[in-house]
Amino acid sequence: DQQVKQNSPSLSVQEGRISILNCDYTNSMFDYFLWYKKYPAEGPTFLISISSIKDKNEDGRFTVFLNKSAKHLSLHIVPSQPGDSAVYFCAARTDSWGKFQFGAGTQVVVTP
Amino acid sequence: GAGVSQSPSNKVTEKGKDVELRCDPISGHTALYWYRQSLGQGLEFLIYFQGNSAPDKSGLPSDRFSAERTGGSVSTLTIQRTQQEDSAVYLCASSSPAQGAGSPLHFGNGTRLTVT
Repeated sequence: DQQVKQNSPSLSVQEGRISILNCDYTNSMFDYFLWYKKYPAEGPTFLISISSIKDKNEDGRFTVFLNKSAKHLSLHIVPSQPGDSAVYFCAARTDSWGKFQFGAGTQVVVTP
Repeated sequence: GAGVSQSPSNKVTEKGKDVELRCDPISGHTALYWYRQSLGQGLEFLIYFQGNSAPDKSGLPSDRFSAERTGGSVSTLTIQRTQQEDSAVYLCASSSPAQGAGSPLHFGNGTRLTVT
C-alpha cells in the first residue's frame, strides 16, 4: 500500500531554472511532510519540512507547498544548481511517533 | 558532532548465510529506524524503536529479519539465511522526539548488502 507517491521518476532542468518536484499522498491523517535529498553512496539528508497547519514553507532556494485538499505537495528549487543533481524523496508521517512513509524518489539532473 | 554511523559499509555474503548490520545513532536520539532501498526503489520501512517502548516491527519482510537495540543506543539488524532478494542498501536513521513529532530523521550512509 503505497501511501506516498512520486509519479515522476526523473526530471531534467537547466541550471538557473526552477525545478518542481511533486508528491501525492492518500492518507488524510498525515500531518508532517519532509523532503530529503540523496547523493549516490550516501544516506538521505534532510532538506525542508512542512506541517499540515501551513501551506508554504521556504528556506533559501527551497520552497515546499502543501495542498491538503488535493493531498499534494511540491518542492520548488530556484535557481537550480549543478549540485542539486540528486534523488529527492518526499516523506510523510501522522501526528504521532512512528515511521515516515517515503515516496519512490525523483532523480533530478541539472544541466549547464 | 558525530552523525549516524553504520557498519560495515559494504557486505558481500553467500546465499544462506546470516549477516549482522550495525547502527550507532546520534547521541541522545531515542528514536531509531531501519529502512532499506532496493535497486531502483524507494525507501522501505523495516522497524522502529522509540525509547523503552515495544518496537514497531510492521515492516520486517519475513521472520528471517530481526533487530534489537541494546541500552537504548546501538542497534543490530540481523538477517538469517540470506536470499538474493535481500540485496539492498540498509539505512539506519535516528531522531530526537524532544524536537517534536515533525523532527527529521538523520540517516547514516547505509550498508550495501550483496547476496551472491
